[in-house]
Amino acid sequence: GIQVEQSPPDLILQEGANSTLRCNFSDSVNNLQWFHQNPWGQLINLFYIPSGTKQNGRLSATTVATERYSLLYISSSQTTDSGVYFCAVAQAGTALIFGKGTTLSVSS
Amino acid sequence: SQTIHQWPATLVQPVGSPLSLECTVEGTSNPNLYWYRQAAGRGLQLLFYSVGIGQISSEVPQNLSASRPQDRQFILSSKKLLLSDSGFYLCAWSVWRGRPDNEKLFFGSGTQLSVL
Repeated sequence: GIQVEQSPPDLILQEGANSTLRCNFSDSVNNLQWFHQNPWGQLINLFYIPSGTKQNGRLSATTVATERYSLLYISSSQTTDSGVYFCAVAQAGTALIFGKGTTLSVSS
Repeated sequence: SQTIHQWPATLVQPVGSPLSLECTVEGTSNPNLYWYRQAAGRGLQLLFYSVGIGQISSEVPQNLSASRPQDRQFILSSKKLLLSDSGFYLCAWSVWRGRPDNEKLFFGSGTQLSVL
């Protein structure tokens, strides 16, 4: 099956710093989503982005489908950005497969 | 607006006991429904998905089963729990398109299951 690799596995930032999270996938996909899991376990859908670029406030994401990767940008990080960021992909007729996530810790 | 309810939030069960976790969705019809499991410190593993009443697809053969008795209700069950069943169980839904690989996925708040 398709493989999803996220990097880095862990990231520690000072408040106000910028960061880039990467998601590589092993085959073509028609669905790619980014999620944030807060310290209480709740998963929030950040972006549905099988291709192209989207922005939502301090977060933006870019997927280059032909090169099989996606990037999540976090600017001016805040302590509330802490948690685990997951990338998930799906091919036609299949459900989303998740990467192992990037754990982000933002300190004040 | 759509909401997804999942309960209980935490559950402690002895080995060999049965399990029933319930998930319901409000504000939408014919949703695709999913059960995922997250082991401690790891990613999410897809367990089951359903594109309609009585239609269940299993992704991982194991000690668990799922049922969809009503359009917006999804139940995860086990007859006899194992230690390895411990984990964080998440229910999710997406808009129905007749197949699972579509649009956004929305999660419930999860159930932390500890099997002792």
